Amino acid sequence: GQQLNQSPQSMFIQEGEDVSMNCTSSSIFNTWLWYKQDPGEGPVLLIALYKAGELTSNGRLTAQFGITRKDSFLNISASIPSDVGIYFCAGTNFGNEKLTFGTGTRLTIIP
Amino acid sequence: ETGVTQTPRHLVMGMTNKKSLKCEQHLGHNAMYWYKQSAKKPLELMFVYNFKEQTENNSVPSRFSPECPNSSHLFLHLHTLQPEDSALYLCASSQDAGGNYGYTFGSGTRLTVV
Repeated sequence: GQQLNQSPQSMFIQEGEDVSMNCTSSSIFNTWLWYKQDPGEGPVLLIALYKAGELTSNGRLTAQFGITRKDSFLNISASIPSDVGIYFCAGTNFGNEKLTFGTGTRLTIIP
Repeated sequence: ETGVTQTPRHLVMGMTNKKSLKCEQHLGHNAMYWYKQSAKKPLELMFVYNFKEQTENNSVPSRFSPECPNSSHLFLHLHTLQPEDSALYLCASSQDAGGNYGYTFGSGTRLTVV
């Protein structure tokens, strides 16, 4: 089946730093999604990407749909304390029966 | 209410108890899902329902029994659970089963089995 490898697994950064994380797939996706999960809550959709090469922003967050269709990237600029949480990528193709989720990147901000 | 609502938010149950988790969505979505999230582990898909019909059971033990009476409601009936079943149980819904427009998740039920 399809697999999504997300890296890094965890990140420890200082407030104000920029963050980069990525997701790679063993097969092609037509849709890439990025979610954030706050502690004790369900994941919330941040950004959806539908076209290879697409670059989409949501405030300080920017995500890109890789040209190969097998990867996606998420950047967070000037991190703030509320950015703490787990970030998940997810991918699917039209006609699929479900999303495939990545393993998550846990972001911690060091005081 | 909007979005996906899960009740209860927290549940502590003994191994011999029977309890049920409830999920409700009024987004007009046709597909609903149960996920298990254990500490520091990836999301584990348990069940998929599309137009009230179960389309996937991801090798889930029979002590977990889902029920989908209509497209807006999803239940997870629990009986004779084990301590390792303690986890955050997340319900999600989507417009289409493939999730091309994303899933909307509930806040989850934090289950502790004692």
